[in-house]
Amino acid sequence: DTVLTQSPALAVSPGERVTISCRASESVSTGMHWYQQKPGQQPKLLIYGASNLESGVPARFSGSGSGTDFTLTIDPVEADDTATYFCQQSWNDFTFGSGTKLEIK
Amino acid sequence: QVQLKESGPGLVQPSQTLSLTCTVSGFSLTSYSVHWVRQHSGKSLEWMGRMWSDGDTSYNSAFTSRLSISRDTSKSQVFLKMNSLQTEDTGTYYCAREVLYYYDGYAYWYFDFWGPGTMVTVSS
Repeated sequence: DTVLTQSPALAVSPGERVTISCRASESVSTGMHWYQQKPGQQPKLLIYGASNLESGVPARFSGSGSGTDFTLTIDPVEADDTATYFCQQSWNDFTFGSGTKLEIK
Repeated sequence: QVQLKESGPGLVQPSQTLSLTCTVSGFSLTSYSVHWVRQHSGKSLEWMGRMWSDGDTSYNSAFTSRLSISRDTSKSQVFLKMNSLQTEDTGTYYCAREVLYYYDGYAYWYFDFWGPGTMVTVSS
């Protein structure tokens, strides 16, 4: 299985720039996607194909990377961005990262 | 608009079979594939399996021996059946719609719409 590794938690202040990383155990090309999940809700798609912004998602969100290293950037962060962010690869079946919990101070 | 909604028993006894239904609207099951994904409380997401738009299925090898996914296109429903449930199967079960994306000659899949999820507790 392709293992995706994310840092467990981050805390930033509103207006700051935050980067959330995801490292794959093997190359997934650009088959990496990002989701936001708020407590008690289902995941919501933010970025697909490593860098493509899903329709309706604010332009404050962006994604980059290819191969094994990927980044989700939120700039500037807003209070409403408090959530857990998951990466997901679809190069080798489907696996998800363990999630990064983002706290807005 | 596109919607998916899971339904199921909520509580299942150990060793019994879990049966869940995903009812979709706003799209056709013959045009889109639908997946099942589960989440243990507060933890990561785990892909379980897929009902392809052509009626074929594929499964996570961790579940192959006890998982079955089927559908009724006339009712716009996708079903999950998993037997030999254990307490470790407690969690929230989601169905999600798949989108196919091509880049540089390769196909990738991601999930653009998810149901709200249904909580399943395995306990006696």
